[in-house]
Amino acid sequence: AQKVTQAQTEISVVEKEDVTLDCVYETRDTTYYLFWYKQPPSGELVFLIRRNSFDEQNEISGRYSWNFQKSTSSFNFTITASQVVDSAVYFCALTIVNYGQNFVFGPGTRLSVLP
Amino acid sequence: DTEVTQTPKHLVMGMTNKKSLKCEQHMGHRAMYWYKQKAKKPPELMFVYSYEKLSINESVPSRFSPECPNSSLLNLHLHALQPEDSALYLCASSQDLASPNTEAFFGQGTRLTVV
Repeated sequence: AQKVTQAQTEISVVEKEDVTLDCVYETRDTTYYLFWYKQPPSGELVFLIRRNSFDEQNEISGRYSWNFQKSTSSFNFTITASQVVDSAVYFCALTIVNYGQNFVFGPGTRLSVLP
Repeated sequence: DTEVTQTPKHLVMGMTNKKSLKCEQHMGHRAMYWYKQKAKKPPELMFVYSYEKLSINESVPSRFSPECPNSSLLNLHLHALQPEDSALYLCASSQDLASPNTEAFFGQGTRLTVV
C-alpha cells in the first residue's frame, strides 16, 4: 500500500522568507510518480511538479525547487522569497503505474505567508 | 483548452432531494475521476472512469451514482444524501490510466451542503 506523510500541518512565514514543505512517502513499487499540488482558497488543485522514481534530479522553477531523495523516501518542496500569493494548502501525492492519477495524497500543509 | 469545468459551484440539497454534479473536459482525456474532500482533509478518490467505463469504485455508498455519458462528460448523481456527505467534490481528468507520468487537471469543485 502507498502512504504519503506531510508532517507540517500549518506553517506561517513572513513575506520574502524561504520555506520548505516536507513530504515522505511509502511504497513497495519500484516505479512510482510523485507530485506536488497547490490548493488555493478557490478550491481547484493546481499542478506544480511531477517526478518519476527513476529521476532523482532536483528541479528548480523560478522561486520553486524540489529535492527528491529516494534514500530517505522524501520529496521536499522549497519556496524561495515567499509571497502572499503563495498562501495555500500544498499536497504531496503519489501514484503508481497503471493506476493513472489515482493519487494517494498526503494530509496537506497549510502555508500562510504574511505581509 | 486545459480546463475542467464543474457545475454547479455550490449546491445545497435536502436529504430527500435528487441532484447531479456535472464535469466537462475537452482535452481528449480518457480517464476521469471523482474525488471527495472534507474540510481540512486531502481529497479522497471515489470513482475512476477509463474510456467511459467504470474502472475503480472505492467502496462508495450507492447514494452516489457516477455516469460517464461520453468521453468529455462525467456526472455524479446524488440521492438521499446525509449531512456527513457535505464536502467539496472535485472532478479531474488525465490522459489515461496507463500514463501516470502526465498531469491531472482538476476542476474548481462543487461545494455541497446537505441539510
